[in-house]
Amino acid sequence: DAKTTQPPSMDCAEGRAANLPCNHSTISGNEYVYWYRQIHSQGPQYIIHGLKNNETNEMASLIITEDRKSSTLILPHATLRDTAVYYCIVRAPGSARQLTFGSGTQLTVLP
Amino acid sequence: GAVVSQHPSWVICKSGTSVKIECRSLDFQATTMFWYRQFPKQSLMLMATSNEGSKATYEQGVEKDKFLINHASLTLSTLTVTSAHPEDSSFYICSAREGREREGYTFGSGTRLTVV
Repeated sequence: DAKTTQPPSMDCAEGRAANLPCNHSTISGNEYVYWYRQIHSQGPQYIIHGLKNNETNEMASLIITEDRKSSTLILPHATLRDTAVYYCIVRAPGSARQLTFGSGTQLTVLP
Repeated sequence: GAVVSQHPSWVICKSGTSVKIECRSLDFQATTMFWYRQFPKQSLMLMATSNEGSKATYEQGVEKDKFLINHASLTLSTLTVTSAHPEDSSFYICSAREGREREGYTFGSGTRLTVV
């Protein structure tokens, strides 16, 4: 799986958009970008994933650059409950191997 | 969506005793489940891969005789911490993958183990 780089922490005001960046410059052509988050003392939660097109679901939007070397997770209207560690993971689909977690980004939503 | 139930959510035990943690996939079958451990302010570290009907695969540095894994059915994997010591106190999380790629991996809610 390609290596990812994320800022260790970010703050965001409640109600504003939270934009979480991830660099994955060594991503391979068949690797997807996955985002998970972990609220304190809970198991990680799947958010979204994509290959090269931008993706949106009820939780977030994923913007992947044209060269696929970086991406941004967007929480359009952050709430206090979005405070969590956000993990960007790159891997090929269909793999039965485990997910490997980096250090992630601690997002703190401020009132 | 896929749900993984993990039990108990927290447990306190005395040094030298054993503790069993259960991980169940509620609405799907999982031939493979994963067990992670997470120390405070650190990321999740894979301990072992649990395979239904066969022996688990342990990561380097994880003692297979101390962390016993049983995956006897397609919906249940158990992790038993034997002869627990205070340094085993941690947050243990299981994960399973449903067949549909869209949902990715589903995680249990975790078990907070405190050994006193």
